[in-house]
Amino acid sequence: EAQVTQNPRYLITVTGKKLTVTCSQNMNHEYMSWYRQDPGLGLRQIYYSMNVEVTDKGDVPEGYKVSRKEKRNFPLILESPSPNQTSLYFCASSLREGSEQYFGPGTRLTVT
Amino acid sequence: GQQLNQSPQSMFIQEGEDVSMNCTSSSIFNTWLWYKQDPGEGPVLLIALYKAGELTSNGRLTAQFGITRKDSFLNISASIPSDVGIYFCAGRRDDKIIFGKGTRLHILP
Repeated sequence: EAQVTQNPRYLITVTGKKLTVTCSQNMNHEYMSWYRQDPGLGLRQIYYSMNVEVTDKGDVPEGYKVSRKEKRNFPLILESPSPNQTSLYFCASSLREGSEQYFGPGTRLTVT
Repeated sequence: GQQLNQSPQSMFIQEGEDVSMNCTSSSIFNTWLWYKQDPGEGPVLLIALYKAGELTSNGRLTAQFGITRKDSFLNISASIPSDVGIYFCAGRRDDKIIFGKGTRLHILP
């Protein structure tokens, strides 16, 4: 089944404790992206990747890192999480930039 | 930067009623997309529109790509409880996709 998976689905952590949210897609898509969703703000893009080893900042990249060592995986790294990074995070992939995106199920992160 | 204005922000309707929501922008887009997000899930693509004036249906859903290429609307006919969720429009221009802030649909019994 074609899908985008994210782990964990839920995470509660403390300020400053490094964490990684994994994202994997099995559709051989070139383009992958991370979004955060906050009430009243919709979906805001954090980082995106057009292909292996090619990543770029989205609209709200501060406090986040990403890597794209393999085509299928696109982990989101928070080196020193802060409470304002409490949010619902979605990974998405598409065949190429601008194509219809397929979203993962989301990761709800709480930073205390 | 480019922005999409999606309205209404939320809707409360009775089951069986028709629903209409829209997205507008000051910029031209060459593709419009409509997604639905069920509670606790990620957005799922409902309809994609590629040409100005295009009218496309998917079951009880109908969406149109505005003639000016600056707007799009989504209609849902005869709403049912499972229509509850957040509907997002998205516009594509220069291989960038921009999302609206969503319309949250509530259905009253």
